[in-house]
Amino acid sequence: EDQVTQSPEALRLQEGESSSLNCSYTVSGLRGLFWYRQDPGKGPEFLFTLYSAGEEKEKERLKATLTKKESFLHITAPKPEDSATYLCAVQDVRGSNYKLTFGKGTLLTVNP
Amino acid sequence: NAGVTQTPKFRVLKTGQSMTLLCAQDMNHEYMYWYRQDPGMGLRLIHYSVGEGTTAKGEVPDGYNVSRLKKQNFLLGLESAAPSQTSVYFCASSYPGTSGANTQYFGPGTRLTVL
Repeated sequence: EDQVTQSPEALRLQEGESSSLNCSYTVSGLRGLFWYRQDPGKGPEFLFTLYSAGEEKEKERLKATLTKKESFLHITAPKPEDSATYLCAVQDVRGSNYKLTFGKGTLLTVNP
Repeated sequence: NAGVTQTPKFRVLKTGQSMTLLCAQDMNHEYMYWYRQDPGMGLRLIHYSVGEGTTAKGEVPDGYNVSRLKKQNFLLGLESAAPSQTSVYFCASSYPGTSGANTQYFGPGTRLTVL
């Protein structure tokens, strides 16, 4: 069974204090790993899809990286507007290609 | 391009009442999904559709029914609402790319309370 574990559950940073969020996963084979951002009272907003170990993607202050067992979402010099819950999901190569398995998320708070 | 839209945004039901949640997407996506999100449980798949006229069960389908009569719309029905169905419901759609990776795009959600 596919599993996704995100850590920490919550992270509080000062503005400008860089850090990383972790997503550990277990799949038979990885077809894709996805990062989403979710603001309170809103739907998840797609950020990145990573396909294979060694791949990196960047968007503004965010950079996602991927290894064979985990992914990191690095946040460089965060601002208060980066405060949100960040969700990670994986898609296994086996079985139906519709299914994503989501982690429970990391709640990031960036204080001014 | 509105993406994925959901109606209504909020709803309060009494136990035993019925209702339908509507999801619409304008991205011409083949796949559509209904999830529920509860504190500490993460996103759980209720039902999904891989094309017009098709539906299938996800992880937590009991108490829900769905229909996909048009490609752009996916309806979620509660025939007899129960307090355990109090949740936030999200619709999503996707079009698996050449890699097969299933990037899903989500709507804004419907917050449902069953008294």
